Amino acid sequence: KQEVTQIPAALSVPEGENLVLNCSFTDSAIYNLQWFRQDPGKGLTSLLLIQSSQREQTSGRLNASLDKSSGRSTLYIAASQPGDSATYLCAVSQGGSEKLVFGKGTKLTVNP
Amino acid sequence: NAGVTQTPKFRILKIGQSMTLQCTQDMNHNYMYWYRQDPGMGLKLIYYSVGAGITDKGEVPNGYNVSRSTTEDFPLRLELAAPSQTSVYFCASSSYPIHGPQHFGDGTRLSIL
Repeated sequence: KQEVTQIPAALSVPEGENLVLNCSFTDSAIYNLQWFRQDPGKGLTSLLLIQSSQREQTSGRLNASLDKSSGRSTLYIAASQPGDSATYLCAVSQGGSEKLVFGKGTKLTVNP
Repeated sequence: NAGVTQTPKFRILKIGQSMTLQCTQDMNHNYMYWYRQDPGMGLKLIYYSVGAGITDKGEVPNGYNVSRSTTEDFPLRLELAAPSQTSVYFCASSSYPIHGPQHFGDGTRLSIL
């Protein structure tokens, strides 16, 4: 059974700092991995999607990497801003399955 | 651009009552999903649909039912509400199978008392 773990559960950093969020999964036979952002009281917003054949994806100040063989992904946020404060979730999908398996998320606070 | 719209945003039910959570998307997506999110937990898939008239169970379907009569709408029905169904419910849609990015609604916060 696929399990997704995100460490740390919470992270607090000063504005301007570069940071890394971690995601690990137990079954490396994934089709893709997605990173989402969730603001309080809101739904999820898809940030980046990495196909299993890819190593990384970039969008603005965000860079997500994937090491399928080791079951790990990282989300790198450059020059963090208070507006980046949110909960970040990763989720994996597997071939033949209609189910996304989510981690519990990392709550990020960027302090001015 | 509305995207995925969920109603109501909040609801309190008594044990044993029934209700329908509404979900509508205006992106002509074939794939739609219902998740529940409990405090401090990840999202769990309740039901999904790959097109009008086709639905299937997810990880936690017990106590719920769905229908998909149109591409746009995917309502979730709770029969005989129980305290264990207190949660935040999210509807999502995508234009691809599960392997593509999903677009989420803002959720329905449901309390069963």
